[in-house]
Amino acid sequence: NAGVMQNPRHLVRRRGQEARLRCSPMKGHSHVYWYRQLPEEGLKFMVYLQKENIIDESGMPKERFSAEFPKEGPSILRIQQVVRGDSAAYFCASSPQENVGGYTFGSGTRLTVV
Amino acid sequence: AQTVTQSQPEMSVQEAETVTLSCTYDTSESDYYLFWYKQPPSRQMILVIRQEAYKQQNATENRFSVNFQKAAKSFSLKISDSQLGDAAMYFCAYRREGWETSGSRLTFGEGTQLTVNP
Repeated sequence: NAGVMQNPRHLVRRRGQEARLRCSPMKGHSHVYWYRQLPEEGLKFMVYLQKENIIDESGMPKERFSAEFPKEGPSILRIQQVVRGDSAAYFCASSPQENVGGYTFGSGTRLTVV
Repeated sequence: AQTVTQSQPEMSVQEAETVTLSCTYDTSESDYYLFWYKQPPSRQMILVIRQEAYKQQNATENRFSVNFQKAAKSFSLKISDSQLGDAAMYFCAYRREGWETSGSRLTFGEGTQLTVNP
């Protein structure tokens, strides 16, 4: 039973380019969460999605950031026109429908904007 | 809004000794969950231990145990018989009960970097 799969593991983008981060949840998990970890900081909630629905995006920056979790395929976190401040580790986590505990996290994608 | 505070940016312990990591939180909720996650250099977030607020008994997982003081809003992690593999960043996290929109998010502290000396 594979865990939460994130790719790529490392991503380098020039300022102004687009970054697309992918997350495949654990088999049977229908809830996906994205968190961002800036250097030397804890993880900060960004968005919570279920299949084809954004449930809570209150942690997402208002501009340039979007997320989706389609009926088929992985969840995608998309950052348009990246800036240096977007450099961070982005973590995806998943949980089953009725989760009474913590989530299972992926290994994260480290985004570096040059 | 809920907040989680870890007042020890760094801690160190000798191998085989015991160390306690501190965590306090602020919430107006009565039902919630608390977690300790471990993040080694590989960056993988690993769940160490979980505590349900309605349970008075402190959670224990092998060498890891917590001291949950609900009235004081304190949730410390004790690592006994420390091993070199315990060296990592440790994060305390909070989640409120329920599945409404904000109920599922985890709120993390800033972390405590644990060094284990041989």
